[in-house]
Amino acid sequence: GQQLNQSPQSMFIQEGEDVSMNCTSSSIFNTWLWYKQDPGEGPVLLIALYKAGELTSNGRLTAQFGITRKDSFLNISASIPSDVGIYFCAGQRGSQGNLIFGKGTKLSVKP
Amino acid sequence: NAGVTQTPKFRVLKTGQSMTLLCAQDMNHEYMYWYRQDPGMGLRLIHYSVGEGTTAKGEVPDGYNVSRLKKQNFLLGLESAAPSQTSVYFCASSYGGSQPQHFGDGTRLSIL
Repeated sequence: GQQLNQSPQSMFIQEGEDVSMNCTSSSIFNTWLWYKQDPGEGPVLLIALYKAGELTSNGRLTAQFGITRKDSFLNISASIPSDVGIYFCAGQRGSQGNLIFGKGTKLSVKP
Repeated sequence: NAGVTQTPKFRVLKTGQSMTLLCAQDMNHEYMYWYRQDPGMGLRLIHYSVGEGTTAKGEVPDGYNVSRLKKQNFLLGLESAAPSQTSVYFCASSYGGSQPQHFGDGTRLSIL
């Protein structure tokens, strides 16, 4: 099946650090979404992007819809402990809501 | 505000047994979806519905059936459970196909 390439797979963060992750695809998407999933819970929407080149912020989170429509990135500034979790990108092509998810980026606290 | 509610939260089945997972949303959303999530994987779409009385296949529909008799409910059925269907199942809903999807907290299903 179709997949998005999400990287990195995992990373360790220290409080105060900035974090970056991205998703790439060989196909074009009309919408890019970023979700966060905490253990035992469902994904929660962080940011939705609807237009190529769009840059959108939600507090300390900033995401961009790539100009080629084949990629997107998410930045987290000044990370805090509650940022720990798994972040998923998702792309959508059509109008019926079929989302293609990346495999996730797991954020953990540096030991 | 409950949002998207999934029942049950956990279930253990034996191979060959059948069961139904229930998803209920109180947001008057037209679209509803069923996904499965396996370790180290993103979510994969099983089936979806664009309105009451409609259903459509997603990426991994084999072994599952769905029904949307009421707008607020979307049922996922396993007729003859197989170990390969051990997974966490998530339901989601949205106003429209291009609107963000809101997820439930999942049903953890183990098939022995």
